[in-house]
Amino acid sequence: DAKTTQPPSMDCAEGRAANLPCNHSTISGNEYVYWYRQIHSQGPQYIIHGLKNNETNEMASLIITEDRKSSTLILPHATLRDTAVYYCIVRTNQAGTALIFGKGTTLSVSS
Amino acid sequence: DTGVSQDPRHKITKRGQNVTFRCDPISEHNRLYWYRQTLGQGPEFLTYFQNEAQLEKSRLLSDRFSAERPKGSFSTLEIQRTEQGDSAMYLCASSPGQGGYGYTFGSGTRLTVV
Repeated sequence: DAKTTQPPSMDCAEGRAANLPCNHSTISGNEYVYWYRQIHSQGPQYIIHGLKNNETNEMASLIITEDRKSSTLILPHATLRDTAVYYCIVRTNQAGTALIFGKGTTLSVSS
Repeated sequence: DTGVSQDPRHKITKRGQNVTFRCDPISEHNRLYWYRQTLGQGPEFLTYFQNEAQLEKSRLLSDRFSAERPKGSFSTLEIQRTEQGDSAMYLCASSPGQGGYGYTFGSGTRLTVV
């Protein structure tokens, strides 16, 4: 699996958009970009994933650059409950392939 | 089905003792994963089952570690002769095998070796 680079930490004011960047310059054509988050003392939780088109769901939006070498996870209106570690992972969709986590970005949302 | 369950939530043991953790996956998920997480690090992959077959083991899974998934249902992770370096959060996840978005993680078992 390709490696990803994320900033170690970011801050965001409550109610504002949180934009979390991820670099994955060595991503292969068949690899997807996945985002998970881990709230303190809980297991990671799936947020969103995409291949090359932008994606949106009830939790977040994912913007992938045209060359697919980077992406941004957007939480449109961050709340205190969004304080967590956010992991960007690239992997194929091959069944059974384990998710490989980096250190992620610690997002702190404050009021 | 309320998700992936792990038991116990916390375990304190003396160095040299054996410990066993249990994971109950989502019933219709045929794939089950074990991860270990230490403070400040992301989860590290340990091993993976498809039904009852253990298909992959990471180099982190030393010979003191053994995992089973009898009958393709719940799974156990045993650590023999525990060491202080084994202190970590042990996470279990299950998936239906349709890609990374299908992973559901449990809340983990926190092991402290004293």
